[in-house]
Amino acid sequence: DAGVIQSPRHEVTEMGQEVTLRCKPISGHNSLFWYRQTMMRGLELLIYFNNNVPIDDSGMPEDRFSAKMPNASFSTLKIQPSEPRDSAVYFCASSLVVGYTFGSGTRLTVV
Amino acid sequence: AQSVTQLDSHVSVSEGTPVLLRCNYSSSYSPSLFWYVQHPNKGLQLLLKYTSAATLVKGINGFEAEFKKSETSFHLTKPSAHMSDAAEYFCVLGTSGTYKYIFGTGTRLKVLA
Repeated sequence: DAGVIQSPRHEVTEMGQEVTLRCKPISGHNSLFWYRQTMMRGLELLIYFNNNVPIDDSGMPEDRFSAKMPNASFSTLKIQPSEPRDSAVYFCASSLVVGYTFGSGTRLTVV
Repeated sequence: AQSVTQLDSHVSVSEGTPVLLRCNYSSSYSPSLFWYVQHPNKGLQLLLKYTSAATLVKGINGFEAEFKKSETSFHLTKPSAHMSDAAEYFCVLGTSGTYKYIFGTGTRLKVLA
């Protein structure tokens, strides 16, 4: 298995632009998580999907953030419009029973 | 309330000497505990996990951790540090029946030549 695949690895965008981050979880995993990592706040859980259904989005910072999981093999995290304070590394993780497998992350820089 | 505390934000060891990274937890339920490692500009990789089986857990790259319920600890050890072990290590607490895992604040391990 190729693991959790995220794209792009790096994204640099201008403030106000729309950004879409993508994630392909491990086949057979039924849970998917989006995390954000910054120096100041560490790892923050943004949203959790179970069987493609959003269960907990209480960590999504504000309405500018949205996430979808149209099927078991794909999820997106969208920021519209982006702001400099959104600059961070965004991780996707998937899980079946116990423990996460993380992707390599997307480093987002908003200038 | 569930919580996890990594007692050291930074640890420095010399190459070839033992590594000890400390983690204490608080949980009202039977915990699952994990150690993840993050190398610079990389994702988090699972080192090992405890899920109520053997209390001494062996992981990858020679790391192991011992679950001590009486001390509410899950410290990570390695007999001999290697330069490639330099990274950030996260202790993570999971609780049966909940998807929310609680991450420690991380311990940055530095290995000196």
